[in-house]
Order: sequence, then structure tokens, then C-alpha cells
Amino acid sequence: EVHLVESGGGLVQPGGSLRLSCAASGLTVSSYWMSWVRQAPGKGLEWVANIKQDGSEKYYEDSVKGRFTISRDNAKNSLYLQMNSLRAEDTAVFYCASVGNSGGIYFQYWGQGTLVTVSS
Amino acid sequence: DIVMTQSPDSLAVSLGERATINCKSSQSVLYSSKNKNYLAWYQHKPGQPPKLLINWASTRESGVPDRFSGSGSGTDFTLTISSLQAEDVAVYYCQQFYYGPVAFGQGTKLEIK
Repeated sequence: EVHLVESGGGLVQPGGSLRLSCAASGLTVSSYWMSWVRQAPGKGLEWVANIKQDGSEKYYEDSVKGRFTISRDNAKNSLYLQMNSLRAEDTAVFYCASVGNSGGIYFQYWGQGTLVTVSS
Repeated sequence: DIVMTQSPDSLAVSLGERATINCKSSQSVLYSSKNKNYLAWYQHKPGQPPKLLINWASTRESGVPDRFSGSGSGTDFTLTISSLQAEDVAVYYCQQFYYGPVAFGQGTKLEIK
């Protein structure tokens, strides 16, 4: 059974930083594109970033470009999201997700999510 | 970028009745040479992570009950629940993965009438 477990969320002031982690079990992350998807309070799902299996390609949603960095450590079977210059509008539950393995960027497995609150 | 629009925003259906959720993309998500529509459907229950129900517009994920079905092609898609069960109460999202940044619809909240 696949488990993705996020950690690292919390309360941070505007302009601050947080690093989210996602530990995988039951799935070898080195075989999959991986992603972060978020949901702001009362809002819908929003894709944040993707990273290729070997880390050679990374893609970001426009509003987080230059502020967020996605990375992975395949030896630790883990995914990360470094978030800098955080804004109030970044407040959301952040989900780690594995991308399906049949050729498209759809999200097959999801973690339970970690809440990031940006507030003074 | 491709914009996904779902209708209705909310829906109340009686137990055992059919529920239909629509999703429209601003551009076709059909890859003609592969005859595949790059569209997925998710179910999101409160306090739980989203769950992939259907990919490629009509392929049910393993373990998803067969009362869930996806249809459509090009720009217009439908998620149908043939006989609504109490456990189907959730928000449902479509998502395109054909071109550019992946995009979700705004969600459709499904409730019991």
C-alpha cells in the first residue's frame, strides 16, 4: 500500500520560509514524476510544482516561480518543497502527490496534506 | 493556459438517483494521434486527500466502483454517478493535463437531497 506523509507545515510570518517534506512508502519515488498541489481555505485544488524522476526538469505555477523550489532525494524516497518569501495567499493545505505512470501529469496517489499558515 | 469550468457548482441528488457533473475546457484536450483525452476526475471528501477516480476521461482507477463513469471528448466531459450512495458526498474536480500547466476545475459539491 502506498503512503505519502507530508511534514513541515506550520505558522510562519509573511516573508518567512518553510521547508515541506514528503516521505514515501510502498512506492519508489525514483520511478515517478512527483508534485505538490495545494488547497487554500474554502478554495479548490491548485497545482504548485512538478519534478521529473531524476530531478532534471522542474515546473512551477506562475505565482510561486522564484519563491518555491521543488527537490527530491531518491535515496531517501522523499520529496521536498522549499518555500521562501511566503505571502498570506500561500496559506493552504499542501499535498504531496505522485504522478500517474501512463504518460500524463495526473495525480495518482496523495498524502494527507500539511497546513501552511502565513500570518503575522 | 487551458481553463477548466465545471457545472454546476453544487448539486443535490436523492440516494439511488443519477448525478451528473460537467466539465468544459477552454481548448481541446484530445491528443488526436493517440486518440486520448488528457482529462482526469477526482473525488475530495472533507478531511481526506483527493482521490483519483478516472483518467484519460473514461478509464476508471482500480477499486473505483463501477457506478462512476466518465465520458466526453475534446472540450466537453461528464462524470456520472449512476446510483448515488451516501459515501459519494464530496467535492468533485476535473483536471486537464494536455498542455501547459495542469489545471483543475473549480469543483462541484455533491450533496444528498
